[in-house]
Amino acid sequence: GDSVTQMEGPVTLSEEACLTINCTYTATGYPSLFWYVQYPGEGLQLLLKATKADDKGSNKGFEATYRKETTSFHLEKGSVQVSDSAVYFCALSGNNRLAFGKGNQVVVIP
Amino acid sequence: DAGITQSPRHKVTETGTPVTLRCHQTENHRYMYWYRQDPGHGLRLIHYSYGVKDTDKGEVSDGYSVSRSKTEDFLLTLESATSSQTSVYFCAISGQGNTIYFGEGSWLTVV
Repeated sequence: GDSVTQMEGPVTLSEEACLTINCTYTATGYPSLFWYVQYPGEGLQLLLKATKADDKGSNKGFEATYRKETTSFHLEKGSVQVSDSAVYFCALSGNNRLAFGKGNQVVVIP
Repeated sequence: DAGITQSPRHKVTETGTPVTLRCHQTENHRYMYWYRQDPGHGLRLIHYSYGVKDTDKGEVSDGYSVSRSKTEDFLLTLESATSSQTSVYFCAISGQGNTIYFGEGSWLTVV
């Protein structure tokens, strides 16, 4: 079945550093791809999405490009802030079903 | 705002008691979902619904039942709560463009 793999482990970095979280997927057909963000004690918020190959999703300085050739959807931000500390989930959607990665906790230190 | 409301938001209950969590949507979407979130497991699908009275199991459905008698409401019931069902429960709906939106979560503790 469809699945999503995120890089292992939390990510700790300093304010203004560059962030990359890797995400790869396995899917039949042509799924849509998403990044969700979860702040402590809150639900999952849609951060960005891409619905077809080579689409780039972007929001709040975050970007991710749908790469069909490498089945990837890596999340990037050029300069993180303390307020970006959260858990980030990569996901894919096909046939109204969603497959999630396990999430990466990002901690940004001032 | 996807118009999803979960209730209760927080609940403590005793082992063996029944518990019902409610998800209410205002957007008239056909698909609704219940997930649970646990450390080390990420989000796991419990049950989902694709219409009134149409439901199906997810990957961790044992010990849970659901009902959907109206488009806007999707209920999750723990018939006899166990400590392993202590978790955060999220309702979700499938919106435009196959995008799934989540409610704010229900924190359930079974003691």
